[in-house]
Amino acid sequence: NAGVTQTPKFQVLKTGQSMTLQCAQDMNHNSMYWYRQDPGMGLRLIYYSASEGTTDKGEVPNGYNVSRLNKREFSLRLESAAPSQTSVYFCASSQSDTQYFGPGTRLTVL
Amino acid sequence: GENVEQHPSTLSVQEGDSAVIKCTYSDSASNYFPWYKQELGKGPQLIIDIRSNVGEKKDQRIAVTLNKTAKHFSLHITETQPEDSAVYFCAASKGGSYIPTFGRGTSLIVHP
Repeated sequence: NAGVTQTPKFQVLKTGQSMTLQCAQDMNHNSMYWYRQDPGMGLRLIYYSASEGTTDKGEVPNGYNVSRLNKREFSLRLESAAPSQTSVYFCASSQSDTQYFGPGTRLTVL
Repeated sequence: GENVEQHPSTLSVQEGDSAVIKCTYSDSASNYFPWYKQELGKGPQLIIDIRSNVGEKKDQRIAVTLNKTAKHFSLHITETQPEDSAVYFCAASKGGSYIPTFGRGTSLIVHP
């Protein structure tokens, strides 16, 4: 039981490049989330998916898109990366109130 | 929407001392209050939570208290150890929404 897995662990992009962050969970959870974590800002919700087939915007959705591929997988796409998107990205899943987080992806945009 | 304030942002203690982290929330409809611990290079992990029908909850050296009237809740760690060093996040949510609002985090440093 791996819990929540994320790939890649680290990524460096140039401004304007695109990439997709992958997330998968093996706990059969309905809900999945993408957060970004910046120094002094805590965890800010980018997008979430309450169940397979649905996605909704969170607090900071601009510049991102998501896809809930199936119940296990929830991906986050940056179409045209900007330096302001340099951050650590966490995926999480939940079945009830408790969230389970992945190990994170550290993204640097030059 | 909900707003969660967390203090202090940094807390430095000696091993064996107690540590207290405080959070306030704005939405009186919030009824679930988890605390997460984030170790360096890892994702946050739930360490304790409390619901609005309970005033206090303990689990070994950690405890959480909730004051619904004042809309604040606190994390208490007793007999701190170096392995308690981490960033701690409080959060608040309405039961059933599964969308918590997080505080900005407290970096706890326990000196041996």
